[in-house]
Amino acid sequence: NAGVMQNPRHLVRRRGQEARLRCSPMKGHSHVYWYRQLPEEGLKFMVYLQKENIIDESGMPKERFSAEFPKEGPSILRIQQVVRGDSAAYFCASSLGWDEQFFGPGTRLTVL
Amino acid sequence: AQTVTQSQPEMSVQEAETVTLSCTYDTSESNYYLFWYKQPPSRQMILVIRQEAYKQQNATENRFSVNFQKAAKSFSLKISDSQLGDTAMYFCAFMKLSGAGSYQLTFGKGTKLSVIP
Repeated sequence: NAGVMQNPRHLVRRRGQEARLRCSPMKGHSHVYWYRQLPEEGLKFMVYLQKENIIDESGMPKERFSAEFPKEGPSILRIQQVVRGDSAAYFCASSLGWDEQFFGPGTRLTVL
Repeated sequence: AQTVTQSQPEMSVQEAETVTLSCTYDTSESNYYLFWYKQPPSRQMILVIRQEAYKQQNATENRFSVNFQKAAKSFSLKISDSQLGDTAMYFCAFMKLSGAGSYQLTFGKGTKLSVIP
């Protein structure tokens, strides 16, 4: 059973560009979570989605960030007009429900 | 809101020895889970052990065990017979199971553990 897949693993963007991060959950998992990890910090919750629904986006910045988890295909975290402060590792996790979250390898975003 | 505190930014231990990592948390919830995750240099987050708050018995997974003190809101991780592969960042995490903000993990800032040969 393949684990949580994230791509790309590394993404470099210039200020003002858009970043699109993709996450494919483990087979059978319908719950997806996105976390951000700044250097030397723990992970911070951003958003929790189920298929076609945003359940909790209390950790998402109000502007420039959006997330979706369509009926078909991966979950997408989209960052518009990136700034240097968006440079971080972005982790996706998936679960069957209220249970263990399995993490992907992360996408390291660098904004030049 | 929940908070998780790891008071030891860095620790080291000799190979084959035992080390304990500390974690305290603050919550008004009664129904929650606690976790320890390991993040090696590869940055992959790996679940080490979990504890359900309603269980009095401390969780164990091979060389890893916890000391869960619910009244004190303390959740320490003990690693026995430390191995070089245990070198990693260790994060304590909290998950509430009801109400607003359920199922999201709240992490501490981590403890960097180095196992010395």
